[in-house]
Amino acid sequence: DAGVIQSPRHEVTEMGQEVTLRCKPISGHDYLFWYRQTMMRGLELLIYFNNNVPIDDSGMPEDRFSAKMPNASFSTLKIQPSEPRDSAVYFCASSSPDIFSDGYTFGSGTRLTVV
Amino acid sequence: AQTVTQSQPEMSVQEAETVTLSCTYDTSENNYYLFWYKQPPSRQMILVIRQEAYKQQNATENRFSVNFQKAAKSFSLKISDSQLGDTAMYFCAFGSLETSGSRLTFGEGTQLTVNP
Repeated sequence: DAGVIQSPRHEVTEMGQEVTLRCKPISGHDYLFWYRQTMMRGLELLIYFNNNVPIDDSGMPEDRFSAKMPNASFSTLKIQPSEPRDSAVYFCASSSPDIFSDGYTFGSGTRLTVV
Repeated sequence: AQTVTQSQPEMSVQEAETVTLSCTYDTSENNYYLFWYKQPPSRQMILVIRQEAYKQQNATENRFSVNFQKAAKSFSLKISDSQLGDTAMYFCAFGSLETSGSRLTFGEGTQLTVNP
């Protein structure tokens, strides 16, 4: 398996633009997580899915953020409109049903810069 | 809510030496899991080692081992025979199905530098 695949690796956009981050989890993993990493706040869980259903989105900062998982092999995190304070590294991770026995497998992250 | 604290923002060690990274956590649960993740400059988060709270034996993975002190809520990572490739940010993480659902809570991280 190629692991968790995220795209793009880097994204630079202007304030006010829409940004879409993409993630392909490991085949057979039915949990998918979106984390955000910043110097100030460290790693924060934004939302996670189980079997394509959002389970906990309490970490989503505000209505400008939305996430979808239309099928087991694809998820998106969208920011509309983007703001400079959204600049961060966004990680996607997936896990098997035995989450804590196997741990999460992370993607390489998307570094988002909003100017 | 569970909290994870890594009190050492930065550490350094000479190549081939041993270094220990500290982590403490706060929980009222009895059954939970603890992890150490490594984030090298490539940015990829890599699972280093895991520990189940109900197991008294400390986990070991090659040069990496943990000192798990359940009563003290302490979970330190020992790296033996440090190598240049161990240079990375190390994160301690906590998970409990009872109270955290499927989420992992991460500490602030410790930046480890291995010097030649």
